Amino acid sequence: NAGVTQTPKFQVLKTGQSMTLQCAQDMNHEYMSWYRQDPGMGLRLIHYSVGAGITDQGEVPNGYNVSRSTTEDFPLRLLSAAPSQTSVYFCASSKDRVSNQPQHFGDGTRLSIL
Amino acid sequence: LAKTTQPISMDSYEGQEVNITCSHNNIATNDYITWYQQFPSQGPRFIIQGYKTKVTNEVASLFIPADRKSSTLSLPRVSLSDTAVYYCLVKVNTGGFKTIFGAGTRLFVKA
Repeated sequence: NAGVTQTPKFQVLKTGQSMTLQCAQDMNHEYMSWYRQDPGMGLRLIHYSVGAGITDQGEVPNGYNVSRSTTEDFPLRLLSAAPSQTSVYFCASSKDRVSNQPQHFGDGTRLSIL
Repeated sequence: LAKTTQPISMDSYEGQEVNITCSHNNIATNDYITWYQQFPSQGPRFIIQGYKTKVTNEVASLFIPADRKSSTLSLPRVSLSDTAVYYCLVKVNTGGFKTIFGAGTRLFVKA
């Protein structure tokens, strides 16, 4: 059981480049989310999804797009990378939005924008 | 958006009991309080969850008063490996489904 898998683990981009961070879970979880964590800070919610075909904005959605075409995958897209998006990105999943089941987190993607 | 409030940092010594309190005045009705632990370069890891009164597992205890506006994570007899950031997590009643992390509490355990 792999849990939540994020790829890549590290990435360096130039300002203006686009990129997709991948997230996959094999637990048949309905709820998935993306967070960013800046140095010395807590996690901030970017986008979340309560099921395939359904997404919504979190605290800091600007500059990011998401889609949820399958239960397993929840990619995060940076359309035009900016230095302010340099951060560690975590994907998480949980059973659903109702049961209060805890979230399972991936190991993160460390992204640097030059 | 209302968030949780925790102490920024705490120091302790090996073998001591550590209590970390979190304030969450706007917790959603019927929502649970969940605590996570995060080591450097890793994603957060679930520790314990509760709704009211007291919950205990093999790692920690969680104390929640009747008004549920705060909670206290208790770590018995901490060791050096308990040095980490601890997050209190609740869902706030904003009409949407948003789980908000606070800044967390950095616990440093000394020998």
